Amino acid sequence: GQQLNQSPQSMFIQEGEDVSMNCTSSSIFNTWLWYKQEPGEGPVLLIALYKAGELTSNGRLTAQFGITRKDSFLNISASIPSDVGIYFCAGRMDSNYQLIWGAGTKLIIKP
Amino acid sequence: DTAVSQTPKYLVTQMGNDKSIKCEQNLGHDTMYWYKQDSKKFLKIMFSYNNKELIINETVPNRFSPKSPDKAHLNLHINSLELGDSAVYFCASSQDGTGDEKLFFGSGTQLSVL
Repeated sequence: GQQLNQSPQSMFIQEGEDVSMNCTSSSIFNTWLWYKQEPGEGPVLLIALYKAGELTSNGRLTAQFGITRKDSFLNISASIPSDVGIYFCAGRMDSNYQLIWGAGTKLIIKP
Repeated sequence: DTAVSQTPKYLVTQMGNDKSIKCEQNLGHDTMYWYKQDSKKFLKIMFSYNNKELIINETVPNRFSPKSPDKAHLNLHINSLELGDSAVYFCASSQDGTGDEKLFFGSGTQLSVL
């Protein structure tokens, strides 16, 4: 099945640093969702995007729906230890309402 | 109250056995899902179901079957378990299966087939 290209696969950062990750697709999407998964838990929705160019924040997190409608970005400012986890993007095309998922970006914060 | 709850949290069983995982949501959502997360953490949809339609991912073996006694429950039955079935299985729900819905996930069931 179709997949999203999510990068980077993992990130090792220092506490306080800003984080950027993205997802790209070869197809046009009408919805982008960003989820976070912590160990032993299911993914939790962080931000939902529905319009090209849309920029939405949730605390220190900001996500953007790419203008081409083929990509999305998630930024985390001033990272803290509780930001560790796996961040997933998911998107939906006009032609298929099923969500398509990225492979995840694992965020690790160096002590 | 947990919005989407699934049991058991851990399931260890022998090859060839039949097992079930239960899921309940108290969000009043119309659509429920089962996802499989492999060792590389990739999420793969197995089923989506509402009171109108069951959509099956064509790659899912027919040993897997969803059972929905009512709108708030979607259980997963697995027959003749195989080693490759070992994974974390997530139940999820959403308000509407055809629109801009957001998924709410359970905390997962880690299945280990020995």
